[in-house]
Amino acid sequence: DVKVTQSSRYLVKRTGEKVFLECVQDMDHENMFWYRQDPGLGLRLIYFSYDVKMKEKGDIPEGYSVSREKKERFSLILESASTNQTSMYLCASSVWTGSSYNEQFFGPGTRLTVL
Amino acid sequence: KQEVTQIPAALSVPEGENLVLNCSFTDSAIYNLQWFRQDPGKGLTSLLLIQSSQREQTSGRLNASLDKSSGRSTLYIAASQPGDSATYLCAVVGVTGANNLFFGTGTRLTVIP
Repeated sequence: DVKVTQSSRYLVKRTGEKVFLECVQDMDHENMFWYRQDPGLGLRLIYFSYDVKMKEKGDIPEGYSVSREKKERFSLILESASTNQTSMYLCASSVWTGSSYNEQFFGPGTRLTVL
Repeated sequence: KQEVTQIPAALSVPEGENLVLNCSFTDSAIYNLQWFRQDPGKGLTSLLLIQSSQREQTSGRLNASLDKSSGRSTLYIAASQPGDSATYLCAVVGVTGANNLFFGTGTRLTVIP
């Protein structure tokens, strides 16, 4: 079974702190994604990466950065956390095979609260 | 931009009923459509993946269909159980643009014992 793990299930931080969210997948997938999920807004893509050291902006990249130094690990960084970044953060991975994408597999999520 | 809609937003049924969840999308140029289940406060669990060339997929009591030309998918759950209570999300991957899923806002299902 594909396993996607996230470093924390719950996280509480203060405004202005630098926050790191870590995601690790064990299936050698090329593609990794960070989403945030908010009530009424659904899931929105923040960043994704299709290879080591490669990254692409999603729909809402402002206030976030990412790092992918190793294939299995994709980090989301909040440079200076703000209260409007309080949300559920979900990491996912998938593999590109030929003309279609395989399934996206999600981690358990990190519920971040910024005070 | 691709828009994905799920109707109804919430559904309550008595245990044992068969039910259908609906998903519609505006751009038929998709690679695949995926159905997920999400329990409160948890991540997403993949239920079924339908490639654009397929019409349906089945897993146990679940059957998902895809009509790409009309921009519709349905998830059929047979003989519903209280353990099926969750939010069900559909998502599509488009052939253009970013390599990501476009999600619907989900249908919250409650199966009453």
